[in-house]
Amino acid sequence: QQQVKQSPQSLIVQKGGISIINCAYENTAFDYFPWYQQFPGKGPALLIAIRPDVSEKKEGRFTISFNKSAKQFSLHIMDSQPGDSATYFCAATPGGGGNKLTFGTGTQLKVEL
Amino acid sequence: GAVVSQHPSRVICKSGTSVKIECRSLDFQATTMFWYRQFPKKSLMLMATSNEGSKATYEQGVEKDKFLINHASLTLSTLTVTSAHPEDSSFYICSALGSSGANVLTFGAGSRLTVL
Repeated sequence: QQQVKQSPQSLIVQKGGISIINCAYENTAFDYFPWYQQFPGKGPALLIAIRPDVSEKKEGRFTISFNKSAKQFSLHIMDSQPGDSATYFCAATPGGGGNKLTFGTGTQLKVEL
Repeated sequence: GAVVSQHPSRVICKSGTSVKIECRSLDFQATTMFWYRQFPKKSLMLMATSNEGSKATYEQGVEKDKFLINHASLTLSTLTVTSAHPEDSSFYICSALGSSGANVLTFGAGSRLTVL
């Protein structure tokens, strides 16, 4: 029940393309869903987050789509750039974000020229 | 924005020695800090939750006598890997939750431990 399943494990996208990463959860107590970006040898950095009262949130080139009934959420990176090449983790937590996070397994994104 | 500093960023030690990793919130007070362990190309696994002034809460399977956590002040938590062995080699990452109520976790840059 505590798992967050993430796919794909790795992704190669051409520059300018759309990168899509999907996550699914089981625990209905989760109410805060952040996405983190991690570069090699660095800690994760918060990219964007969503709460279940909205179905979509957009910040610049990054969009989260949220489907509460299906218990799925996804990250879309528009106009993907080589600098976006990193590992992306979805996560979920109950209690509005102040509690411990359950992370997905990660997606290694490579954006090629 | 909130900044969390981890030190050292890299440490190499001999088997049997103890290593201390510090996690500091630089511009905010952190009532709660979390310690994670990450293996290469793997996800972050929560080890323990550290609350200022109280004992840490360890996740199932994490040896509390092996991984000593101290959260003595609102800006500092330490993780000590005692009697380190090669299998303890990993990337250790802390995150801090501010006391302002923003409920946003800020992660440190991580500490790479290599035990020879």
